[in-house]
Formats: sequence, C-alpha cells, structure tokens
Amino acid sequence: KAGVTQTPRYLIKTRGQQVTLSCSPISGHRSVSWYQQTPGQGLQFLFEYFSETQRNKGNFPGRFSGRQFSNSRSEMNVSTLELGDSALYLCASSTVPGGELFFGEGSRLTVL
Amino acid sequence: QKEVEQDPGPLSVPEGAIVSLNCTYSNSAFQYFMWYRQYSRKGPELLMYTYSSGNKEDGRFTAQVDKSSKYISLFIRDSQPSDSATYLCASTSGANNLFFGTGTRLTVIP
Repeated sequence: KAGVTQTPRYLIKTRGQQVTLSCSPISGHRSVSWYQQTPGQGLQFLFEYFSETQRNKGNFPGRFSGRQFSNSRSEMNVSTLELGDSALYLCASSTVPGGELFFGEGSRLTVL
Repeated sequence: QKEVEQDPGPLSVPEGAIVSLNCTYSNSAFQYFMWYRQYSRKGPELLMYTYSSGNKEDGRFTAQVDKSSKYISLFIRDSQPSDSATYLCASTSGANNLFFGTGTRLTVIP
C-alpha cells in the first residue's frame, strides 16, 4: 500500500512569491492534516481537512491556505513568502479525523 | 510557553544503554499522548500511543504518562544503533491537531 506522497520534495522560492504544495493521502484515508516543521518551533499544526471541509486551523496567518479535493488529495498554498516560511511542510493522512496519522516525507521549502 | 516542552538533547548513548526521553505539557485537557520517531529526511512515524495516565510497553519501548505532574516519558531498553533518530512527543485533547515537542535527537553508538 502506497504511503502519503508529497510533491515537490524540495523547492526554492524568493520572498514575495507564492508556493503550492501537494499531498496524496493513503488510499482510503479521507482526513488530511498539514504541519510545518522548523528547528526552533518543531512541528506546528496548520490545518486539517475532511470530506473537502476544513475542520481545524492552527495559529498561522491568512497567507497560509489549503483545500481538499473530492478524491481526498490536498494542496496547501503560501502567498507572499517570507524568509521565516522556510521549513519542512509535512502532510499526514488518517482514515477519519482523530485517527492515527501517517506522515509523508515532506516538502522542504527554502525562501531566499 | 509551548503547549508541549521537550528536552532538546542531543543525546548520545552507547549501544545497550537505557534511554530516557522526557516531555512536559501544560494543557490539562490533553488526554492522548504519543511518541513519534523521525529518521533523517523522513516523516515522523507513530511509535507509541497512550490514553490518559499510566504505562504502556511495546517490546523495548515503554511510554509513561503522569497526568498529575503533566509529565510524559519514553524509555528505550537495550538501545540499538537503529534507534538513532529524532524522537517527538505529542499530545492532544482528542482533535486531530497534535501539539508536538521540538524533538530530541538520539544517537546510539555501536
């Protein structure tokens, strides 16, 4: 069974640009969560989607947004990138909200 | 103050040693406690899961939660070089938004 797939794995952007990250959950998993991981703050919750609806949102500015499609695939978008947005963005899927999370390998974003 | 605080490490031990990893949390509503292991360039994977207070053992790993002191621990017995990774504690009240510690990097030296 394929795991959580995140694309792209690595990307470099400059300040002010925007970026879109993609996540394909494990087949059959309908809940997708996104986390930002930095050395200083660790993993911080961004948002959670289930059945194309955002169920929960972390304490991040409105520049961070996401969505989920009918096939459970999810995307997150960061607009007007700042240097501090450099991080590993991790997607996790579960069968239902509150279920065991299975993480992908992440998308490493560097903002110059 | 972060919801979950974790000893930052890094921690370096000889093979066969007993490893103790520790976290504290501040939110009394937290009921679920997890330990994740993250290898370099990989995503975290669930190692142990505990509900409320008590101990849970799985092979060489024991997770301990003391809700009275808001203390979370993971013990690794007979540590192996393959245990070298970053260990993350996490807690939640039940929603899917986990609160993670910053992680402790463990190196087990052969």
